[in-house]
Amino acid sequence: DGGITQSPKYLFRKEGQNVTLSCEQNLNHDAMYWYRQDPGQGLRLIYYSQIVNDFQKGDIAEGYSVSREKKESFPLTVTSAQKNPTAFYLCASKLTAAGDYEQYFGPGTRLTVT
Amino acid sequence: SQQGEEDPQALSIQEGENATMNCSYKTSINNLQWYRQNSGRGLVHLILIRSNEREKHSGRLRVTLDTSKKSSSLLITASRAADTASYFCATANHYGGATNKLIFGTGTLLAVQP
Repeated sequence: DGGITQSPKYLFRKEGQNVTLSCEQNLNHDAMYWYRQDPGQGLRLIYYSQIVNDFQKGDIAEGYSVSREKKESFPLTVTSAQKNPTAFYLCASKLTAAGDYEQYFGPGTRLTVT
Repeated sequence: SQQGEEDPQALSIQEGENATMNCSYKTSINNLQWYRQNSGRGLVHLILIRSNEREKHSGRLRVTLDTSKKSSSLLITASRAADTASYFCATANHYGGATNKLIFGTGTLLAVQP
C-alpha cells in the first residue's frame, strides 16, 4: 500500500521546545516537500529536497530545520526560534523535482504550541 | 509568496448543479495543477495541465488554461455532496534551475447542499 505517512496527527508542545514532525514515503520518490497551512490560507513552502542528502530553503524556512538522510524520510524540526509555530503541516513527495508530475500529500500534522 | 488567486473564495450550490472556480496567476508557468482538500486532511491531486495545453478533462472535471490571461478555471459538473471541500490551484515554475516549485493559491471553499 503505497503512500505518505505523517505522524503524529496532533501534537501539542510548550513554547520554547523544539519538536520534530515525521514524514515517510514508500513511493520511491526523489523529491520531498514540507508546507505550512494556516487557517483559511493556501500552502507555503518551508523546505524541499530534490534528492537524498540534499535540501533547500523554501519561502518561510526561518525557525525550521530538516534532514534527508534516507530517500524515504524527510523529518521537519520546528525550533523555538519559529515565532508562530501553531499551524497545520503537510508533507508531500514527487517522482522527481523536475518534470511535470503531481505531488502526493500526507494526511498532515496539526501542531499546537502554547 | 502566493501566486494563485482563486475566485470565488466560497461557493455554495445544490447537488446536481455545476461548480466553476477560477484561478489567476502572475508569472509564466510550466504547468498548473488543481488539488482538493477535505477539512483537516491532506491534499489530493485532481488534474495537471501543461502550459502548452488549453483544456483537459478527467471524469466530471474540466480544466481550462489561458496563458495570455494568466488564468485557469475548474468546472465540476453534476456536483455531489461528496465534492464539498476546498479547491486549490497551484502553479509550477522553474526554481533554482530545473526544479519545479509549486505555488498555491488561497483556495475556494465549495459546499454542495444535498
